[in-house]
Amino acid sequence: AQTVTQSQPEMSVQEAETVTLSCTYDTSESDYYLFWYKQPPSRQMILVIRQEAYKQQNATENRFSVNFQKAAKSFSLKISDSQLGDAAMYFCAYNRDDKIIFGKGTRLHILP
Amino acid sequence: KAGVTQTPRYLIKTRGQQVTLSCSPISGHRSVSWYQQTPGQGLQFLFEYFSETQRNKGNFPGRFSGRQFSNSRSEMNVSTLELGDSALYLCASSQVARDWTGELFFGEGSRLTVL
Repeated sequence: AQTVTQSQPEMSVQEAETVTLSCTYDTSESDYYLFWYKQPPSRQMILVIRQEAYKQQNATENRFSVNFQKAAKSFSLKISDSQLGDAAMYFCAYNRDDKIIFGKGTRLHILP
Repeated sequence: KAGVTQTPRYLIKTRGQQVTLSCSPISGHRSVSWYQQTPGQGLQFLFEYFSETQRNKGNFPGRFSGRQFSNSRSEMNVSTLELGDSALYLCASSQVARDWTGELFFGEGSRLTVL
């Protein structure tokens, strides 16, 4: 059963604008990590940002930030000042039983 | 430090054949995970090896198997290939220490096409 849901298969954003990718997950654990990974076209998947569930403060990495709502089991990714290099598949993930479970991904297009 | 290396990068097989994919993790990483990526299903977890032992397994049929060697290199094998096995197979390594944060380091993948 899918336990990470990304409800937006594709999204588009104008260059320099802000976009938010949504993610919900299902877990009964209280301590876990959440991740956003980026997969550029024909390139390796890389970690964008990581959130520790026991930390209330939302993680931030330069133009990338998250909105973590633990009670709602929601973990959205906000990309500010979108750049052409941000075009990629974005995967939300979390660790469960010592393995990382991924959503189906959101393809992000950047419009020049 | 060299990244995760997967070979071959591309391969074409026919139904009924078998295939072996290889993954060399980042030096010092003892955990290797395998994922199948398809357009409709995203990334699906196949299995994870740590110190030559399979620690976790996803919901794939027994045709999918793997192993890990003493140098942490891993191989996965798919026997009796089916058309639906066409996918990008991703390998990821990680350090897995007591304070493991779960970050995975991915290879570029092996793209398998089954005809």
